[in-house]
Amino acid sequence: DGGITQSPKYLFRKEGQNVTLSCEQNLNHDAMYWYRQDPGQGLRLIYYSQIVNDFQKGDIAEGYSVSREKKESFPLTVTSAQKNPTAFYLCASRGQDRYEQYFGPGTRLTVT
Amino acid sequence: LAKTTQPISMDSYEGQEVNITCSHNNIATNDYITWYQQFPSQGPRFIIQGYKTKVTNEVASLFIPADRKSSTLSLPRVSLSDTAVYYCLVGDIRAAGNKLTFGGGTRVLVKP
Repeated sequence: DGGITQSPKYLFRKEGQNVTLSCEQNLNHDAMYWYRQDPGQGLRLIYYSQIVNDFQKGDIAEGYSVSREKKESFPLTVTSAQKNPTAFYLCASRGQDRYEQYFGPGTRLTVT
Repeated sequence: LAKTTQPISMDSYEGQEVNITCSHNNIATNDYITWYQQFPSQGPRFIIQGYKTKVTNEVASLFIPADRKSSTLSLPRVSLSDTAVYYCLVGDIRAAGNKLTFGGGTRVLVKP
């Protein structure tokens, strides 16, 4: 089955710890994206990558970091510098010549 | 990116047609209109996309008037499973990065 996966579905961390969220796709898509969603709100773009070894900041990149060493993988690290990390995190990908983004199931991160 | 305005919520009943209107007064020449559907604790799913006039697929229709300052998503004969949040997005889908800007969306509740 082709698709985009995120793991884990739920993640709990103590304040002050860095945490890395996984995003993998086997759709052969070039572009990948990370969004954050807070309760009752729309999605906000954190980082995006159009090609391997390249990525750009989105609207709320502070406190986050990413890497794109492989086409299939786009992990997101939530650092201790992120003031309010508790949220629902969504990863998406888009193929060349396609205009819609395909989203993963999301990871709900809770930091206490 | 063009700002969009859509109703916060709508109620409907099974079997009825649901129409959600989105306003985008400052839409640019290269902008397309895209609608996504999101169920609780899931990633958004692409529904339909259009530039002008009318677009129809197996799940919805999209009506765009000549001035393109608004658009209407039409869901025919809704069922309980259509209860979700619907997002209207406007942007240049061919632009580098294909960044999406999600507003608050419209919460549609389908009642039996």
